[in-house]
Formats: sequence, structure tokens, C-alpha cells
Amino acid sequence: DTAVSQTPKYLVTQMGNDKSIKCEQNLGHDTMYWYKQDSKKFLKIMFSYNNKELIINETVPNRFSPKSPDKAHLNLHINSLELGDSAVYFCASSQVLSGGGETQYFGPGTRLLVL
Amino acid sequence: EDQVTQSPEALRLQEGESSSLNCSYTVSGLRGLFWYRQDPGKGPEFLFTLYSAGEEKEKERLKATLTKKESFLHITAPKPEDSATYLCAVQALGTGGFKTIFGAGTRLFVKA
Repeated sequence: DTAVSQTPKYLVTQMGNDKSIKCEQNLGHDTMYWYKQDSKKFLKIMFSYNNKELIINETVPNRFSPKSPDKAHLNLHINSLELGDSAVYFCASSQVLSGGGETQYFGPGTRLLVL
Repeated sequence: EDQVTQSPEALRLQEGESSSLNCSYTVSGLRGLFWYRQDPGKGPEFLFTLYSAGEEKEKERLKATLTKKESFLHITAPKPEDSATYLCAVQALGTGGFKTIFGAGTRLFVKA
């Protein structure tokens, strides 16, 4: 009964390769996110999707492309991987609360290492 | 510029020694302030949401408070299992929807 799941958990690959990370949520939430957590443990938002529409696209390289086949899935595709892409990538989902904010539920993370 | 600053970076406590973590923020159009706990190798786990100055929330040994410029996470009589990184995040209106800005976190170590 995992709420937000990601695959794979670990990903080791060579520079220049293309890879994808998958995310699924079974909470029925409308919005999903991708975050990058660097070696200093700082979380930064990369993308968010609401009902299959991109609503926030922070300044990330266009080598990164989110793909949402349906409301429950938001996959992250990365082209031409670089050393600096090594990080932990977290998927999250959220629903608007009655007070007007949102609470985000995070997946376990995908640890990407580019060699 | 929107900013979230957490202090201290790291905090070492003895079991039972109460203390507070600080999260100060500058953001326009605040929608909510969130506290999360993150254990090593895991994703952040939601703790509290605060919406307006003066609001307080409690959960077991944790109590979160909010003013117009900062939030505190008070830990009363902590136990070793409270050791984790505590993250503060502020949500505000952004282009096309909400934007969430995280602080760098406070690493808490509680020694038995």
C-alpha cells in the first residue's frame, strides 16, 4: 500500500547515456513533483504537473523532461547525463488542503550516480 | 528574493534536553509553512502545516509555532529516535501555481 513509489532505487550509469526514472502515486492526488537533492542535502524543485499539465518549470537543463501518461504517474527522462546530475531525485505528490496550502508526500528517492 | 534559512545547521542534544529549531523566511504571498523529518536514505516525512501567525501544532514531543517572519520547532524531552534532519519549507504563489522553497535543514543528534 505504498503511497508514492519510485523505480529504480539506485541508478549507476556512464556520462552521455539517457535514462528514465519512474514515479507512481496511489493517493489520488492532482499534483506531482520532481525534486533534486544534492550532496549538501538541499532539496530543489525541478518540475510539477497538475492534471497532466506542467505548471511550474524551474530553471533546469532541457536535458531533463518530465512525462506524465496519466494523473498517477510522473516519469523523469534525462538525456546526455553529466557528472553534475549525480544526486538523489525525489518524486512527490500533493493535494490542495482546506486551508489553501498543500502537503506533499514524498517517494523513497532514486540515487543516481553518473560515472 | 524568496528565501528560507534554518538554524542551527546541526544540533546535538542529550536525551531529555529540550531545545528549538528555527526557520526564518522571506517570501511574498505565503500560503503555508511545512515541517518535515528526513531520515538517512529516505524521503521527507510530513510533520506539520502552519498557515497563519500565532498558529501552533503539536505531535508527541514536537510543537511547531509560526510568526510573520519565522517558525520554531520545539522538541521537548527528545529521545534518540528523534535523531534526523528536520526540513522547513515555505509555499507561496508562483508562476502558474504554488512554489515550494525548502531550507537546508537542521541535523538533530540525540544521545542516550
